[in-house]
Amino acid sequence: AQSVTQLGSHVSVSEGALVLLRCNYSSSVPPYLFWYVQYPNQGLQLLLKYTSAATLVKGINGFEAEFKKSETSFHLTKPSAHMRDAAEYFCAVSDPNFGNEKLTFGTGTRLTIIP
Amino acid sequence: GAVVSQHPSRVICKSGTSVKIECRSLDFQATTMFWYRQFPKQSLMLMATSNEGSKATYEQGVEKDKFLINHASLTLSTLTVTSAHPEDSSFYICSARDWAAPALEAFFGQGTRLTVV
Repeated sequence: AQSVTQLGSHVSVSEGALVLLRCNYSSSVPPYLFWYVQYPNQGLQLLLKYTSAATLVKGINGFEAEFKKSETSFHLTKPSAHMRDAAEYFCAVSDPNFGNEKLTFGTGTRLTIIP
Repeated sequence: GAVVSQHPSRVICKSGTSVKIECRSLDFQATTMFWYRQFPKQSLMLMATSNEGSKATYEQGVEKDKFLINHASLTLSTLTVTSAHPEDSSFYICSARDWAAPALEAFFGQGTRLTVV
C-alpha cells in the first residue's frame, strides 16, 4: 500500500520569502509523485510530477520539488512567494505497476501568504 | 493541457432526492475516469473508478447502490447520488487520463459542491 504524509496542515510565509511544503511518502515500489494545487471551490491543477527521471523537478509558477529516495521525501519549494500562491497544496503518489491511474493524496497543506 | 468539465459546480437538494453530476472530457477520449470525494479541510478520497462500457470499480466502504456511476461514452461519466442525505454533503471531483498524451497526468474537473438540506 502507498501513503503520503504532508507535515503541517497550515503554512504561512511572508510575500517574497521561501516556500517549503513537506511531503513524505511510503511505497513498496519506486513511486511516481505529484504535487497539485487547489484554489477555493475549484478542481486540482498539476504543479509538477516525478516519474523516475530527473530527481529535481521543475513545475509551473516557479515551483520545484526534489525526489530524495533516502529520505522518502518530495518536498515542494519556491524561492519567493507571491500573493497568488495562497491555496491548498496536495502531494500525491501513484503506483507505476497500476498504470498510475489511482492517486493517493496527502491531507493537504494550506499556504497563506502574508503581505 | 486536456480539459475536463464537471457540471454542475454547485447543487443544493432536499434530503431523499437524487442528484446527478456529469464529468466530460472535452478534447480527448477517456476510457477511465475517477471520482473523488473531499470533505471540508480534508484530502481527496477515491470513491470509484469509472470504466467506459463496463461496471465501475468501487473502493472499499463506498456504497455502490448509493453512488451510481455510468460511463456510457468515451467522453462522459456520471455520478448519481441516490436518496441523498445531509452526510452526503461534500465536494465531488472527477478526473480523467488522456491515454493519447505522453505525459502521466490526470486532469481534474472543477468539482461539484453538493449540499443536502
